[in-house]
Amino acid sequence: NAGVTQTPKFRILKIGQSMTLQCAQDMNHNYMYWYRQDPGMGLKLIYYSVGAGITDKGEVPNGYNVSRSTTEDFPLRLELAAPSQTSVYFCASRSLRNTGELFFGEGSRLTVL
Amino acid sequence: AQSVTQPDIHITVSEGASLELRCNYSYGATPYLFWYVQSPGQGLQLLLKYFSGDTLVQGIKGFEAEFKRSQSSFNLRKPSVHWSDAAEYFCAVGSLIQGAQKLVFGQGTRLTINP
Repeated sequence: NAGVTQTPKFRILKIGQSMTLQCAQDMNHNYMYWYRQDPGMGLKLIYYSVGAGITDKGEVPNGYNVSRSTTEDFPLRLELAAPSQTSVYFCASRSLRNTGELFFGEGSRLTVL
Repeated sequence: AQSVTQPDIHITVSEGASLELRCNYSYGATPYLFWYVQSPGQGLQLLLKYFSGDTLVQGIKGFEAEFKRSQSSFNLRKPSVHWSDAAEYFCAVGSLIQGAQKLVFGQGTRLTINP
């Protein structure tokens, strides 16, 4: 049972480039989330989804887009990378029943130069 | 709006000593409260959670936390720490209305263990 899988684990981008961070879960969870983690700032919610075809903004959505075409996948798209998007990104999922417990991926470290 | 404050950015304790990590939250209604642990290079793992009922909750790895409504606190404790407890610890609050659909995390406390 793989849980939540994120790819890539590391990536360096140039300013203005685009990329997609992939996230997949095999637990049939309804809820999925993208967080970013910056030193001393904890985790900030970027986007979340309550099921296939439904997404909503979190605290810090600017510069990002998401889609949820299947229950399993929740990719995060950066259209025009900026240095402020240098961060560690975590995808998480949660079942409908188990209120609150998030299952996290191992993170994707992104550097924008 | 919900908020979580972890006053201690970094704590160092000796192996075998007791531990208390502080967490204060701000939320108007009854909160859902959580503690997560993050080992280096890893994602977060749930240690314990409080929804209702007994205000002292037990978690994994020998941790416990106590919900004190009057102090808006949810401090994490462990009677005797092990070197493997070195990690970063995050307190989080979720709203009852939303069924903990979205969590707000504190800034984290980094725990160092001296041998």
